[in-house]
Amino acid sequence: GENVEQHPSTLSVQEGDSAVIKCTYSDSASNYFPWYKQELGKRPQLIIDIRSNVGEKKDQRIAVTLNKTAKHFSLHITETQPEDSAVYFCAASYPSWTGTASKLTFGTGTRLQVTL
Amino acid sequence: NAGVTQTPKFQVLKTGQSMTLQCAQDMNHEYMSWYRQDPGMGLRLIHYSVGAGITDQGEVPNGYNVSRSTTEDFPLRLLSAAPSQTSVYFCASSYSTGVEAFFGQGTRLTVV
Repeated sequence: GENVEQHPSTLSVQEGDSAVIKCTYSDSASNYFPWYKQELGKRPQLIIDIRSNVGEKKDQRIAVTLNKTAKHFSLHITETQPEDSAVYFCAASYPSWTGTASKLTFGTGTRLQVTL
Repeated sequence: NAGVTQTPKFQVLKTGQSMTLQCAQDMNHEYMSWYRQDPGMGLRLIHYSVGAGITDQGEVPNGYNVSRSTTEDFPLRLLSAAPSQTSVYFCASSYSTGVEAFFGQGTRLTVV
């Protein structure tokens, strides 16, 4: 099965600085890589995703890059704001052995704290 | 649209008790799944379903059963609760694989 490693586990940045979270995956068949944000006590929500045929995707202050050869992908948040404080999860989707569906495997999460 | 609805939000069980966590979605999604979230371990897949009548195991299925009799509902059954099953449980749904998954609000389960 797929194994996703995520680093760092905690990250503290000052407001206005950039934050970078990195993930690696093991299964070269994985083809979809979403990032979820989870605020305290809330459900995870998708913030950005990327597919294996794309190297980079950007949405305002958030960007994701994918290196298929090295099997790693990263989340970049620029001009961080206090409301960016949350836990961020990366994930990789790979086809199940039955071929009927893809399974989503999550990283262990990064707690981002944006300080004033 | 209510999205993905989980009940209950909180539950305390005694060791050995059984219970069912409910999950319902009104988005006509074929794919539904159950995750458990434990500190430092992220979200781990318990079971998933690709449509009514079709289920499969995730990475941590032991102690849990699922069934999918309708597109809308995907209940998770704990057969004999153990303290190791103390966790926050999330149900998620998506219309296909490789697309956004929508999560329910979670069920915080404590087994004493």
